[in-house]
Amino acid sequence: GQQLNQSPQSMFIQEGEDVSMNCTSSSIFNTWLWYKQDPGEGPVLLIALYKAGELTSNGRLTAQFGITRKDSFLNISASIPSDVGIYFCAGHAYSGAGSYQLTFGKGTKLSVIP
Amino acid sequence: NAGVTQTPKFQVLKTGQSMTLQCAQDMNHEYMSWYRQDPGMGLRLIHYSVGAGITDQGEVPNGYNVSRSTTEDFPLRLLSAAPSQTSVYFCASSWGGPNTGELFFGEGSRLTVL
Repeated sequence: GQQLNQSPQSMFIQEGEDVSMNCTSSSIFNTWLWYKQDPGEGPVLLIALYKAGELTSNGRLTAQFGITRKDSFLNISASIPSDVGIYFCAGHAYSGAGSYQLTFGKGTKLSVIP
Repeated sequence: NAGVTQTPKFQVLKTGQSMTLQCAQDMNHEYMSWYRQDPGMGLRLIHYSVGAGITDQGEVPNGYNVSRSTTEDFPLRLLSAAPSQTSVYFCASSWGGPNTGELFFGEGSRLTVL
């Protein structure tokens, strides 16, 4: 099946620093999505990207859909303590016979040091 | 604004016991799904449903049953619990069916099988 390589697995940053994480795959996706999971909660959708090359912002978050459709990155500017959590990328693609497949990366665990 | 509601939030079972994880959504979403989250494994799809009366298997369906008698409810049944089913389970729904990766997640049910 399709697999996503999400990196880094974890990161510790100082409050105020910028953060960058990415996902790559050997497969092409039609949609790239980024979710955030707060400790003890379910994932929440942050950004959805629908076109190759698309660059989308949501507050301090910026995400891009790679030109090759095989990768995406998420940047967080000026991190704050509430940015702590696990960030998941997900790729969505048509898998044939009227079916679609949503594949999740293994997550990037972000810790912010005040 | 209930969204996706999961019960129970925590459960401890002995090997061989059965139980049902409940999931209800009040957004009139046709698509509902169950995921399990294990450390270092990301989110893996167990079963999904594209509407009342229709269910299908995901990536890791063994040991789990589902049914969808109403649009609102999508229970997950463990027939004979095994320690390998110790995990955090998330129910998710979507307005766009399987054609979109935009999911609304519940808060999760943490299951421990002894």
